[in-house]
Amino acid sequence: QKEVEQNSGPLSVPEGAIASLNCTYSDRGSQSFFWYRQYSGKSPELIMSIYSNGDKEDGRFTAQLNKASQYVSLLIRDSQPSDSATYLCAVNWNFGNEKLTFGTGTRLTIIP
Amino acid sequence: DTGVSQDPRHKITKRGQNVTFRCDPISEHNRLYWYRQTLGQGPEFLTYFQNEAQLEKSRLLSDRFSAERPKGSFSTLEIQRTEQGDSAMYLCAAPGAGTGELFFGEGSRLTVL
Repeated sequence: QKEVEQNSGPLSVPEGAIASLNCTYSDRGSQSFFWYRQYSGKSPELIMSIYSNGDKEDGRFTAQLNKASQYVSLLIRDSQPSDSATYLCAVNWNFGNEKLTFGTGTRLTIIP
Repeated sequence: DTGVSQDPRHKITKRGQNVTFRCDPISEHNRLYWYRQTLGQGPEFLTYFQNEAQLEKSRLLSDRFSAERPKGSFSTLEIQRTEQGDSAMYLCAAPGAGTGELFFGEGSRLTVL
């Protein structure tokens, strides 16, 4: 059973601070890694993808991947109240399709 | 705009009734995916299509569930004899430009009374 694990939270972070979200996965053969943001009552929105070890930055977001440790993280710098949402980690371990396995998500609250 | 339109957005039904959800990709995609998400959980894979062929079905997709993609464009997901445990958000997704990316529609929220 291929699994993706996340701390469900809630994680509370003061406005302007760095929010750090973590995810581990069970299969070393995993190919692609994604972070989705989901506001309450809405569908998941893709915010970051990462495919190789190291860091990938996009604006205030940085995704970090360590395949040896089977670990992927998302850092949100200068956290804003609008960042309050559930963040879902997703992993693709297939070649040739986009079937994703999701974690249960971490609920993040930014405190003004 | 996620490139995927779903209908209806909300559906309330009584236990035992049949419901059908529709997914329309705005542009052509070879592959199309259905997921289900219950409260407090991440989306769970149900099934996916390559054109009109249904290539994989999750064990979550009991015999009360059927999905089709008759012309390789829109897709439908039907649930027969609904049960309260079917209450969830049903999500349709299409691939993006990046490897492995999926973009979700707005979802169809089902409430079974």
